[in-house]
Amino acid sequence: DPKIIQKPKYLVAVTGSEKILICEQYLGHNAMYWYRQSAKKPLEFMFSYSYQKLMDNQTASSRFQPQSSKKNHLDLQITALKPDDSATYFCASSSGTTNERLFFGHGTKLSVL
Amino acid sequence: GDSVTQTEGLVTLTEGLPVMLNCTYQSTYSPFLFWYVQHLNEAPKLLLKSFTDNKRPEHQGFHATLHKSSSSFHLQKSSAQLSDSALYYCALSDQGTGSKLSFGKGAKLTVSP
Repeated sequence: DPKIIQKPKYLVAVTGSEKILICEQYLGHNAMYWYRQSAKKPLEFMFSYSYQKLMDNQTASSRFQPQSSKKNHLDLQITALKPDDSATYFCASSSGTTNERLFFGHGTKLSVL
Repeated sequence: GDSVTQTEGLVTLTEGLPVMLNCTYQSTYSPFLFWYVQHLNEAPKLLLKSFTDNKRPEHQGFHATLHKSSSSFHLQKSSAQLSDSALYYCALSDQGTGSKLSFGKGAKLTVSP
């Protein structure tokens, strides 16, 4: 059974629309992350959260907003979608926040038309 | 800032030949280095993590040694197998970044019969 669940697996959106990518982890971890993988920038760090608080944000655009309703949830809301946002978005988690191994979900592949 | 430079692009090998993927890094603090492997249509997963006591981590026949003098953590395997075909990422974390990983650009290893 997957321990990090990302929904949906595939997502097609039109330019200008808004989508939410869902992530839940059942590893009992305290830290969660979002990474983006595209042909231009493999595995690019976006956000890190610890105990539901934002720790680090490397995403320049405010169109990307993480949302943590529970300790084991970290969703990613993307507004005003652009074709350049097309990528696979990986959610990850770790037990602590210092040099810990990351566990990745299977990703949501987003295509913006 | 922290950065990782690794063998990138396409690497093609014949089964049975040795594997060597290079990784060098720049870090402000004493870093931890990782190798992650991503098979086709799967999530990235940890292959190796450096130790603090200069031990050489090994997994599935792969090994890597952290050399602080040369800032390197090269991935090696004595004999490539068909199942080793995958994307390989070198990554770094340190005191300044916590568990946020900085990934290299990735190398796509293809092992042929």
